[in-house]
Amino acid sequence: QLQLQESGPGLVKPSETLSLTCTVSGGSISSSGFYWGWIRQPPGKGLEWIGSIYYSGNTYYNSSLKSRVTISVDTSKNHFSLRLTSVTAADTAVYYCARGSFCSGGNCRFDPWGQGTLVTVSS
Amino acid sequence: DIQMTQSPSSLSASVGDRVTITCRASQSIASYLHWYQQKPREAPKLLIYAASSLQSGVPSRFSGSGSGTDFTLTISSLQPEDFATYYCQQNFNTPPTFGQGTKVEIK
Repeated sequence: QLQLQESGPGLVKPSETLSLTCTVSGGSISSSGFYWGWIRQPPGKGLEWIGSIYYSGNTYYNSSLKSRVTISVDTSKNHFSLRLTSVTAADTAVYYCARGSFCSGGNCRFDPWGQGTLVTVSS
Repeated sequence: DIQMTQSPSSLSASVGDRVTITCRASQSIASYLHWYQQKPREAPKLLIYAASSLQSGVPSRFSGSGSGTDFTLTISSLQPEDFATYYCQQNFNTPPTFGQGTKVEIK
């Protein structure tokens, strides 16, 4: 059974860089046809897609975050990562990683999801 | 970006009730519409994909319909474990976007 697990600091200072990793188990991140995505949810709010990556390294980002986001993949470690620079309090959210399928240009439906990790931006 | 609007934002219902949630897209998205269930402190779970296809393992009391701009999620007989927030999502255009959610509460 495919499982995803987010990891990384739970507290980041304003103006610094948020870095998270999603480790995939029970399957290969190099499986053809699947993208790997990051989605976030501010406390008490809805879901926002951040971006998606294919195992080859092709990436797609939400234009609202594009200037600050980098998603990368390490197939040898079966994980992919998120970097978000110059964070502010508005970036405080639960960050989820998920597998994307039936995608067009990184635009996918997502299943399964990791359990999520809360990242708080505060000094 | 395509805007997804769900209604109602919340509803109260009793066990055994039939519940319908609607999702409207700001432009036609064919059948590129998916429904998720999220329980408190849990990740979203895919229930319905491509507007009307039931994800493996999801109870048959859940069903979806619609195409173009108007979609519905129906729970035929609400069970205690169904009290949650439901989100629709489109992947017709990038970026994929979600509705604001519909919270189903116990009456």
